[in-house]
Amino acid sequence: AQSVTQPDIHITVSEGASLELRCNYSYGATPYLFWYVQSPGQGLQLLLKYFSGDTLVQGIKGFEAEFKRSQSSFNLRKPSVHWSDAAEYFCAVGAGYSTLTFGKGTMLLVSP
Amino acid sequence: NAGVTQTPKFQVLKTGQSMTLQCAQDMNHEYMSWYRQDPGMGLRLIHYSVGAGITDQGEVPNGYNVSRSTTEDFPLRLLSAAPSQTSVYFCASSPSGGGAKNIQYFGAGTRLSVL
Repeated sequence: AQSVTQPDIHITVSEGASLELRCNYSYGATPYLFWYVQSPGQGLQLLLKYFSGDTLVQGIKGFEAEFKRSQSSFNLRKPSVHWSDAAEYFCAVGAGYSTLTFGKGTMLLVSP
Repeated sequence: NAGVTQTPKFQVLKTGQSMTLQCAQDMNHEYMSWYRQDPGMGLRLIHYSVGAGITDQGEVPNGYNVSRSTTEDFPLRLLSAAPSQTSVYFCASSPSGGGAKNIQYFGAGTRLSVL
């Protein structure tokens, strides 16, 4: 069965600093990978996705992620964090029948 | 463009009560799913449907029933609510074809408390 690990429960980053959120997956076939963001009290918004091809994918709000098959990783990055990026971030792998297996999430705190 | 609509947004139940969480989508999506979100647990799949008349269990189906009589609607029923079902519930839909790489569209969630 597929699984997703987000090793960091909380991360605090200074505004303007760079960000990397880690995600490792376990899946027997070609993975379809997603990052979602959830602001407090809100639903989930898709940031970006990887299906195939270029291993560096661009998303909304200035985020990017790099798929590394050898490391089973799909880390999310942003060069300069804004206070509005404070939220919870979920990595997910696409499973059968259009369902998703999620990691437990990483809460991003942005300090002034 | 409504997308995925969940009602109610908030609900408080007493142990043993029953209720139905509603989910409707207007995108003509074949696939619909229910997830629950608990602190430190991420989102876990409860039930899903690949089309009208077809449903299946996810990771945590116990205590929940679903049905899919139309493409648009996918209600989630709690027959006898328990405090362990206190959670935030999300409904999602995605288009047919493409299987696991389909993008899922989420509703805004229903926050349920069972006392």
